[in-house]
Amino acid sequence: EAAVTQSPRSKVAVTGGKVTLSCHQTNNHDYMYWYRQDTGHGLRLIHYSYVADSTEKGDIPDGYKASRPSQENFSLILELASLSQTAVYFCASKTANSDYTFGSGTRLLVI
Amino acid sequence: KTQVEQSPQSLVVRQGENCVLQCNYSVTPDNHLRWFKQDTGKGLVSLTVLVDQKDKTSNGRYSATLDKDAKHSTLHITATLLDDTATYICVVGDRGSALGRLHFGAGTQLIVIP
Repeated sequence: EAAVTQSPRSKVAVTGGKVTLSCHQTNNHDYMYWYRQDTGHGLRLIHYSYVADSTEKGDIPDGYKASRPSQENFSLILELASLSQTAVYFCASKTANSDYTFGSGTRLLVI
Repeated sequence: KTQVEQSPQSLVVRQGENCVLQCNYSVTPDNHLRWFKQDTGKGLVSLTVLVDQKDKTSNGRYSATLDKDAKHSTLHITATLLDDTATYICVVGDRGSALGRLHFGAGTQLIVIP
């Protein structure tokens, strides 16, 4: 069954520290996305990728980097975590003719 | 500015009752509209996709409508079950391709009580 697995499920990070969120998909999908969800707001796109070794900026890329070392893996990197980056982060994958498959999310608390 | 507005923000119904969730949007262009179900602490699961100018879909106890002229969609849940307790999210896609942007509503939190 197609799946998107995110790790860790939750994390507490210190302000100014580096945080890496990982996403692994077994769907053989070309497109992968990182979104953040804030309470009371809709998901917003941070970065996306449509092929390995290439990433694109989404609507709110500031403070985030992304890495797509292979088709299956897509990471989101916070070089200097800030309090405002406390949120739930979702990874998703898709191919041209498929529906979106979302991971279960990573809850990040920056203190 | 929020481009996808959902109402009500939250809703409590008794098991077996029907309910209707509303979605109004201002996204342009509006290629398609999706409804997702998000269980607490879980990812989003697609319920249905609407594409046509005036569209209707049905997926078991879930049925949805879309009116692109009014930029309005509804999600009907018939004979609710306790497992329907979740947040339902309306999403408008501005293009048909995977590179199109998705515009997410904040969701309607549905609670089904015995």
